[in-house]
Amino acid sequence: DQQVKQNSPSLSVQEGRISILNCDYTNSMFDYFLWYKKYPAEGPTFLISISSIKDKNEDGRFTVFLNKSAKHLSLHIVPSQPGDSAVYFCAASERRAGGTSYGKLTFGQGTILTVHP
Amino acid sequence: KAGVTQTPRYLIKTRGQQVTLSCSPISGHRSVSWYQQTPGQGLQFLFEYFSETQRNKGNFPGRFSGRQFSNSRSEMNVSTLELGDSALYLCASSVQKSNTEAFFGQGTRLTVV
Repeated sequence: DQQVKQNSPSLSVQEGRISILNCDYTNSMFDYFLWYKKYPAEGPTFLISISSIKDKNEDGRFTVFLNKSAKHLSLHIVPSQPGDSAVYFCAASERRAGGTSYGKLTFGQGTILTVHP
Repeated sequence: KAGVTQTPRYLIKTRGQQVTLSCSPISGHRSVSWYQQTPGQGLQFLFEYFSETQRNKGNFPGRFSGRQFSNSRSEMNVSTLELGDSALYLCASSVQKSNTEAFFGQGTRLTVV
C-alpha cells in the first residue's frame, strides 16, 4: 500500500527551463509535506516543505504547490540548473493529537531529474 | 553547526552475524528516526526515538531494534543478518516541534555476504 506516489520515474529538462515534479498521496491524515534531493550513496537533503494549511510555499528557485482536494503536490524549479540533477523525493507526515510531528516520514519512490546544459 | 553523523560509512558482514550502527543527531535535536533504503523498496521507515523512548515503529521484523541514549545519540542493531538486509541505512534528526523538517546523515552502506 503505497501512500505517497511519484508516478514519473524520471524527468529530463533543458537548463534554464522549468522542472515540475509531481507527487500524489492517499492518506488524508497527512498534513505536512516535504521535498528532498538525494545524490547516490548520500543522505537526502531537505529542500522545501509545506503545511496543509497553505497551498503554496516559495524558497528561491523552489516552489511547492499543494492541492488538498486532489491530494496532489508539485515542486517547481525555476530556472533549472545542471547542478539540480539528482533524485527528488516527496515525503509526508501526520501530526499527533498534541500537535507535534510523528517523526515518521512516508516517502515516494523518487523521480530522477536530469538537467541538460 | 555539525550535521547528523553516522558511523561507520561502510560495513560488510556475513549472513547470520549482527551489526550495530550509530547516529549522532544535530545538537539540540531530540528526535532520531531510522530509515532503510533499497533499490526495490525505496526509503522505508524503521523506527523513531524521542527522549530515549521508541515512539513509532515501521513494519520490520524484530531482528531490527534500536535505542537512544540520554544525549540523544542513537544506535540501531540488526541481528541474524540476511542477504536482503543489504541496504543504505539512514538516520534523521529533528527538533520535534510541530511540523519540523528531518535532517539526514550520509548513511551507512551495509553489505551482507
